[in-house]
Amino acid sequence: GAGVSQSPSNKVTEKGKDVELRCDPISGHTALYWYRQSLGQGLEFLIYFQGNSAPDKSGLPSDRFSAERTGGSVSTLTIQRTQQEDSAVYLCASTTSGYTDTQYFGPGTRLTVL
Amino acid sequence: TQLLEQSPQFLSIQEGENLTVYCNSSSVFSSLQWYRQEPGEGPVLLVTVVTGGEVKKLKRLTFQFGDARKDSSLHITAAQPGDTGLYLCAGAPGTYKYIFGTGTRLKVLA
Repeated sequence: GAGVSQSPSNKVTEKGKDVELRCDPISGHTALYWYRQSLGQGLEFLIYFQGNSAPDKSGLPSDRFSAERTGGSVSTLTIQRTQQEDSAVYLCASTTSGYTDTQYFGPGTRLTVL
Repeated sequence: TQLLEQSPQFLSIQEGENLTVYCNSSSVFSSLQWYRQEPGEGPVLLVTVVTGGEVKKLKRLTFQFGDARKDSSLHITAAQPGDTGLYLCAGAPGTYKYIFGTGTRLKVLA
């Protein structure tokens, strides 16, 4: 079956613009994560969705960042008034449920803020 | 703040050599995962370890979880160019929120 997909693969924007990043998880996966990865570094947790529960937004770096997950499937990460420090690769991962389960990652969206 | 530090940060070796990557923390983890990431792609899970002292083997890769579940190591025997990539460890302190290590970038030269 299809894996996790993300779009766009690359996004170049100007400082101050808003951007939306999309994640399509694997069908049937109830849990979804967003991470941020700066050049060649480890992953920084941003937000976690699990079923119909309230999302864990504790990793969002500022109120310019928000995310939603519609119908328990597709998720959108929105960054308002982008800043140069927002430049990074944004990765989405989905998993069946438990935290020891395999996280399946998408290829990421490379965001560049000029 | 829980941190996972990996060492070395960078490693460049010749094909056929052995290597070990370390993942260390002062925190206890319920489980720990190792991932490999190639350029332009997302990380791919290699292994999950959950029991202190556990050793798992995946072909030429050997993973060990420390007895106290605070550290882990990844040993590669007879490295090959296909092993090149960014290796990431990730610890779960008991919930769904994984903490990722700083990464080890491995390059295996033919």
